[in-house]
Amino acid sequence: QKEVEQNSGPLSVPEGAIASLNCTYSDRGSQSFFWYRQYSGKSPELIMFIYSNGDKEDGRFTAQLNKASQYVSLLIRDSQPSDSATYLCASGTSYGKLTFGQGTILTVHP
Amino acid sequence: GAVVSQHPSWVICKSGTSVKIECRSLDFQATTMFWYRQFPKQSLMLMATSNEGSKATYEQGVEKDKFLINHASLTLSTLTVTSAHPEDSSFYICSASEGGTQYFGPGTRLLVL
Repeated sequence: QKEVEQNSGPLSVPEGAIASLNCTYSDRGSQSFFWYRQYSGKSPELIMFIYSNGDKEDGRFTAQLNKASQYVSLLIRDSQPSDSATYLCASGTSYGKLTFGQGTILTVHP
Repeated sequence: GAVVSQHPSWVICKSGTSVKIECRSLDFQATTMFWYRQFPKQSLMLMATSNEGSKATYEQGVEKDKFLINHASLTLSTLTVTSAHPEDSSFYICSASEGGTQYFGPGTRLLVL
């Protein structure tokens, strides 16, 4: 069973702090990794994807991938209350199918 | 770019009727689309993979005769819930794949009375 594991949280951080979301995966053949954000009652929206080891930055978001440790993370700098949502980590196959983690609930309090 | 639409956004129907949900990629062509279902406070559950011009691939436990999928063009996939029952009430979300990345539609909320 190919799995993606996330801490379900909830993770609570104060406004302006760094939120750190973590994810591990079991399939060493996974080549691509994705972070989606899902607000309550809405569908997931893509935040970032990462294919290579190391860091990838986009605005306040940084994705980190360590294939040797089978570990993916998402850092959110200067967290805002509007960042409060469920964050889904997913690993991808070559034909586009995704395996999702169960999601981490993030709450940013003022 | 990479916009996916779904129609309708919500639907209420009587038990025993069929409901069709459309998923469209608006600014790209998608050979592959995916259909998910999500119950309250649960994670996404993949129902099937829809491939343009061929039969859909269903996940284990998903009844292919109940959830009919048609991917007639590179921009349109449809999901028909046949003989819907109250237990089919859920949030149905499609996604379209571009370059290995899935972009999600806004979802369709189905309520079966």
